[in-house]
Formats: sequence, structure tokens, C-alpha cells
Amino acid sequence: DQQVKQNSPSLSVQEGRISILNCDYTNSMFDYFLWYKKYPAEGPTFLISISSIKDKNEDGRFTVFLNKSAKHLSLHIVPSQPGDSAVYFCAASEDNTDKLIFGTGTRLQVFP
Amino acid sequence: EPEVTQTPSHQVTQMGQEVILRCVPISNHLYFYWYRQILGQKVEFLVSFYNNEISEKSEIFDDQFSVERPDGSNFTLKIRSTKLEDSAMYFCASNRLAGAITDTQYFGPGTRLTVL
Repeated sequence: DQQVKQNSPSLSVQEGRISILNCDYTNSMFDYFLWYKKYPAEGPTFLISISSIKDKNEDGRFTVFLNKSAKHLSLHIVPSQPGDSAVYFCAASEDNTDKLIFGTGTRLQVFP
Repeated sequence: EPEVTQTPSHQVTQMGQEVILRCVPISNHLYFYWYRQILGQKVEFLVSFYNNEISEKSEIFDDQFSVERPDGSNFTLKIRSTKLEDSAMYFCASNRLAGAITDTQYFGPGTRLTVL
């Protein structure tokens, strides 16, 4: 039951370029979406979120785009930095629940 | 900056043994969660806990699992009789308010449980 899918297990981007991480979902009841970043031996760290009433949310170098009709969201990182190298998880939740449904993650590597 | 802490970082146990994983949530947080990540798979929700009661649990959280807040600071996950398939990274999380839309969940560094 993969309600949240990240189809790219890995992504390699040159420093300074844009990183685009994608996420698809199937549950139309999801109304809140989050991106978490995870370094090895650490827990997921919250990065940015978006409510279903918006189609874009920006925070510094990070922007999340939501396309509800396509059930698709993406995270843009620009410019990418070597310190951004980590696993990025997309997560979603419904309004009447606290549980987060995670995707399988995309490993981003930013090289000099 | 306040953070969620978890102990131990790595627990090795024999199949059939009981284990208790410990978490200290952020001090003013009221909602507590356990998630797990089997190696190579996604992070999965196990249970949420508020006001000394389970508020929601997943199908994974069967009778072998229990949670407790034994004092004002600790939040524990007990697995009564471990199975090989319980081997995973277990993450504790907490937030101040209910609902992901109102307050972010902060995750601890995880406990790696290995069942032999």
C-alpha cells in the first residue's frame, strides 16, 4: 500500500545547480505535505511543508510545489550545496489524523 | 535547541526476548509518536499517544507492542516477544499541538533494534 511514492531512489546534482525531488500520492484525502531530510545515524529533520490550499511554499533555497490535480509534489533546492547531500523523504497526512505517511526516500548527492 | 533523545542507540536481542526502547520528548510537547524503518524501506507510523492514552495505532502495532509514559519525561515502546522481522530503526517523535497541519513532528535519532 504505497500511498506516497518517490520513484527516484537517488539523484546526483552539481553544486550550484537546482535539485528537483519528486513525490506522488494516491490518497485524495491528504491535505498536508511535508519534506524531511535525513542524514545517516540521525532522525528525519523537518525541512518544509505545504497545505493543500496552496500550490507553492518557499523558504530560502527550498521551494515545494503542489499539483493537486496530478497528485504530485516536488521539492526544489536552488542553489544546491554539498551539505544538502542526504536522504529526502516526502510525507503526507490527513486533517483528522496525526500520523505521517512517508515515501521511500530519495538520496541526493551534491558534488562540487 | 531542544531535541528528542533516544536510548539506546543500538539494541541487540535474541528472538523471543522483551525489549524496551526509551525516548525523552521535547519538554513542552504533549503528543508523542513511534515510527519504524526497516532497512531499505520507508518510515512507517506505529502509534500516537496523548494524555496517557493511545490516540491512533497502525496495523503493525499489535498486541506484542505497548507504549507508556512512566513519568513526566520518558516515553517508552515495549516489544513483548521480539521477532526477527522487528529488526528495524525505531524513531520517536513529538510535537506540541495535535495534527501535522498545526505543528511539526520532531524526530529523535532513532534506536537500531537487531533481533537475532
